[in-house]
Amino acid sequence: GNSVTQMEGPVTLSEEAFLTINCTYTATGYPSLFWYVQYPGEGLQLLLKATKADDKGSNKGFEATYRKETTSFHLEKGSVQVSDSAVYFCALSEGFQKLVFGTGTRLLVSP
Amino acid sequence: GAVVSQHPSRVICKSGTSVKIECRSLDFQATTMFWYRQFPKKSLMLMATSNEGSKATYEQGVEKDKFLINHASLTLSTLTVTSAHPEDSSFYICSASGGRGTDTQYFGPGTRLTVL
Repeated sequence: GNSVTQMEGPVTLSEEAFLTINCTYTATGYPSLFWYVQYPGEGLQLLLKATKADDKGSNKGFEATYRKETTSFHLEKGSVQVSDSAVYFCALSEGFQKLVFGTGTRLLVSP
Repeated sequence: GAVVSQHPSRVICKSGTSVKIECRSLDFQATTMFWYRQFPKKSLMLMATSNEGSKATYEQGVEKDKFLINHASLTLSTLTVTSAHPEDSSFYICSASGGRGTDTQYFGPGTRLTVL
């Protein structure tokens, strides 16, 4: 079946460092791809999405490009802030709104 | 943005009892709601999908007689864990979607269930 694999965390960075969180997927067909973020004590929030190959999703300085040839959707940010500390989930949509999630990657940013 | 709440945030119960978890969409009408279960260091696993006014669709391997889902209104869905056992201890998360054809789900903060 469809699946999503994320790098294990935690990822620990200093403020203003460059961030990459790797995400690869296995899917039949052409899924939509998502990044969700979960801040402490809150529900998951949609961070960005891409619906077809070569699309780039972006939001709040975060970017991810749908790479069909490498089945990847890596999350990047050029300069992280302490407020970016959270758990990040990569996910794909199988259609009919069904989401398949990765295990999540915790990001810790220190001042 | 759209807000989804869950109640309670934490619950501890004795083995054999039933527990009800509520999921509410506070500022939009949720035609579809989803219930997920999350194990430590594991991804969210979809348990069931419910559309307002109709029976929930359960994922393979999820016992529908154990996990009762009701979606009686456009702003409320409930998950009842019946005759809970320690292996049912988990983090339960709901999400809501505003309509068919939209693929954005809005998530609640989750409910931690501990069965003693």
